[in-house]
Amino acid sequence: QQQVKQSPQSLIVQKGGIPIINCAYENTAFDYFPWYQQFPGKGPALLIAIRPDVSEKKEGRFTISFNKSAKQFSLHIMDSQPGDSATYFCAASPGRGSTLGRLYFGRGTQLTVWP
Amino acid sequence: DAGVTQSPTHLIKTRGQQVTLRCSPKSGHDTVSWYQQALGQGPQFIFQYYEEEERQRGNFPDRFSGHQFPNYSSELNVNALLLGDSALYLCASSVDRAGYEQYFGPGTRLTVT
Repeated sequence: QQQVKQSPQSLIVQKGGIPIINCAYENTAFDYFPWYQQFPGKGPALLIAIRPDVSEKKEGRFTISFNKSAKQFSLHIMDSQPGDSATYFCAASPGRGSTLGRLYFGRGTQLTVWP
Repeated sequence: DAGVTQSPTHLIKTRGQQVTLRCSPKSGHDTVSWYQQALGQGPQFIFQYYEEEERQRGNFPDRFSGHQFPNYSSELNVNALLLGDSALYLCASSVDRAGYEQYFGPGTRLTVT
């Protein structure tokens, strides 16, 4: 059972566009929601993360929007560039219990930004 | 400051063999987690090590085992390799067991033939 559901599977945008990737979860024990960027042949790189006590977090061109009541969160990439072409993973982690610190990943979104 | 390092980069093994993968955490981190990433999938949690003990395990058989050393580095061992064990094996480290801000290494690409 996939604990974090991610969509879309793939996304193509023009340079300067704003791709949006969505994730949903059910486990209310999750209290940490990171996004990772992965290039082919590389390990995932931590991009930005949010805790449930805020509804939005911005770091540079990357923004996370978080809706606690809907159990959904999304990544927005402002002014996207060809160098942003990569696979993006959302993840969630519980802050308590026997699975403390375990990251549950979505299936990933392959983003292509055309010049 | 070196990030998380892993060795080897690539490995080719035959079914039934055993393999050992190594990981050095980011400086200042004492918790190491291992993940398996199949092609086209998100990483799947294997286990977590803290204070030289396995603290939790994901849905992986006992053929997968690990170790953490006093300097916080870690090893992942896989016995009796199956074709389905072919994947990218990722090591992640964090400051503590809560796992906030887990940083991943480049991974070891294991191919089982």
